[in-house]
Amino acid sequence: EAGVTQFPSHSVIEKGQTVTLRCDPISGHDNLYWYRRVMGKEIKFLLHFVKESKQDESGMPNNRFLAERTGGTYSTLKVQPAELEDSGVYFCASSQDRANSPLHFGNGTRLTVT
Amino acid sequence: AQRVTQPEKLLSVFKGAPVELKCNYSYSGSPELFWYVQYSRQRLQLLLRHISRESIKGFTADLNKGETSFHLKKPFAQEEDSAMYYCALSRLVGGKLIFGQGTELSVKP
Repeated sequence: EAGVTQFPSHSVIEKGQTVTLRCDPISGHDNLYWYRRVMGKEIKFLLHFVKESKQDESGMPNNRFLAERTGGTYSTLKVQPAELEDSGVYFCASSQDRANSPLHFGNGTRLTVT
Repeated sequence: AQRVTQPEKLLSVFKGAPVELKCNYSYSGSPELFWYVQYSRQRLQLLLRHISRESIKGFTADLNKGETSFHLKKPFAQEEDSAMYYCALSRLVGGKLIFGQGTELSVKP
């Protein structure tokens, strides 16, 4: 099966610009998660979708971040306007909606804000 | 507070030596514990989880509820084990993960 795919793999933008990250989960996976690793720190949860609904968005840092999952398939994470501290690696993960289903991660998008 | 602590940022051992990557956690309740690994230029992948009580690539991890630890061990390290290792917990399998800071394991020839 195809794994979780993320696009782009790298993005370099200037402070104040907008960037949209995309995640395609494994087909049939209702759960979709976004995580972020800022340099030197641990990987932190951002939010969780179940199908198209936001189940938990407690990790979203502020209102400059907007995540969507229209139709319950792929998801986008938009940062507008980007700040320097948003630099890091953004991971997406998906899992089936059943007990003991493990998370499958994408390769991540490395975002650099200059 | 829910927290996972990996005290070592870098662990360097020689090939064939035993290795132990430490993980301690703080959680109110009974969490699910995991070890994830990220090899160079590869995605983060599940190495093992405590509910499976399995050994993957020679690695084992025992959940010690008294010490709230879930240390990862391997009796004889191999060069291909060099990677970033993350300990993580969640309320249930497939749920939101809380990660430790990660330990970079370097196995030298």
